[in-house]
Amino acid sequence: DIQMTQSPSSLSASVGDRVTVTCQASQDIENSLNWYQQKPGKAPKVLIYGASNLQTGVPSRFSGRGSGTDFSLTISSLQPEDVATYYCQQYDDLPLTFGGGTKVEIK
Amino acid sequence: QLQLEESGPGLVKPSETLSLTCTVSGFSITTNDYYWGWIRQPPGKGLEWIGAIYYSGKTYYNPSLESRATMSVDTSKNQFSLNLNSVTAADTAVYYCARYYDTIEFDAFDTWGQGTMVTVSS
Repeated sequence: DIQMTQSPSSLSASVGDRVTVTCQASQDIENSLNWYQQKPGKAPKVLIYGASNLQTGVPSRFSGRGSGTDFSLTISSLQPEDVATYYCQQYDDLPLTFGGGTKVEIK
Repeated sequence: QLQLEESGPGLVKPSETLSLTCTVSGFSITTNDYYWGWIRQPPGKGLEWIGAIYYSGKTYYNPSLESRATMSVDTSKNQFSLNLNSVTAADTAVYYCARYYDTIEFDAFDTWGQGTMVTVSS
């Protein structure tokens, strides 16, 4: 299985801050990576697909980059509604696997 | 409007079989390029992919659960189902059904059900 390692596991930042979450794959997955946002008590929602493509309807303050084994999700200006846990997910090979998640809170 | 809704018992006894159904509304389950999947999330933990099924009946399972999981599809009811046998407390989780769109340009779970909590306990 391809292991996905996210860091940090949690972070606290102020409104307006730039926030970056990283995800590392245990092997080269090219750009076969998605990012999901999960708000408390809700189902996940896809934010970024194919490592860097913004899903329709997602605010442009979210962006993704990376390829190979190293990926990142950036929130350019953190908003109160961005409080959530963020997960990366690879689809280069089955089984589909998720990172452990990064919990983002407001300071 | 597309909706997915999980249904099934919220409490299952150890060693028994967990059975869940996902009813899809507002979209045909037989549409090409769409797969139908199950993902679970133990309380306070991360996401685990259980498996997926295509409307033709072709299935894909996580090897960690393959010996216990069975998925099926009922195109006449626009539903798909999950059976997980020989459950233990480790199978306690929120179970989500989700639509997976698989094309060259897009490859992700783009729509999820609200999730259903299943507790394994005697």
